Amino acid sequence: EAEVAQSPRYKITEKSQAVAFWCDPISGHATLYWYRQILGQGPELLVQFQDESVVDDSQLPKDRFSAERLKGVDSTLKIQPAELGDSAMYLCASSRFGQDYGYTFGSGTRLTVV
Amino acid sequence: GENVEQHPSTLSVQEGDSAVIKCTYSDSASNYFPWYKQELGKRPQLIIDIRSNVGEKKDQRIAVTLNKTAKHFSLHITETQPEDSAVYFCAANSNTGGFKTIFGAGTRLFVKA
Repeated sequence: EAEVAQSPRYKITEKSQAVAFWCDPISGHATLYWYRQILGQGPELLVQFQDESVVDDSQLPKDRFSAERLKGVDSTLKIQPAELGDSAMYLCASSRFGQDYGYTFGSGTRLTVV
Repeated sequence: GENVEQHPSTLSVQEGDSAVIKCTYSDSASNYFPWYKQELGKRPQLIIDIRSNVGEKKDQRIAVTLNKTAKHFSLHITETQPEDSAVYFCAANSNTGGFKTIFGAGTRLFVKA
């Protein structure tokens, strides 16, 4: 079964440092999503890409977060500077057809900011 | 924009009993409602979904129902087993204020053997 690859699995960083997460979606999936999941809550959409274009980044804290998908395949999510409140699981998901169909999630990156 | 409410937050049932999780949504334009299961420390996985042109869908022990008029949908698990223990998330798509899928807060299901 095809999977969405994410790395690293775990990241501990000090506040004010920069951190980056990587995601490689399932081959052929044009739509890619970054979600943030705080412990005990549902995933919250940060950014959605269709190929290399951002479709929705209305919930992305753009003063410190950035995301790119330059060639329309893999994607990077960056936080600079990290804050204590950014501690969460960062999940990447992809979908062949978009947000009207189910997603395949990656295993996520658990970020701890100390 | 879309808002999805889910309840209960925690549900404990005896093995073999049924479990029902309910969700409501606010955006009448939403037309796709997936359900995800997340086991401890693992990724959410799609278990079943329903579209607005269908009132009910069943897959073995899992069924979903949708009431568009009332804007609520439910997950039904019959003959529960210990391996059904997990957090279940409902979700609804939204084309208002951007294209996104909005998740409920989750229901932690415990199935006691």
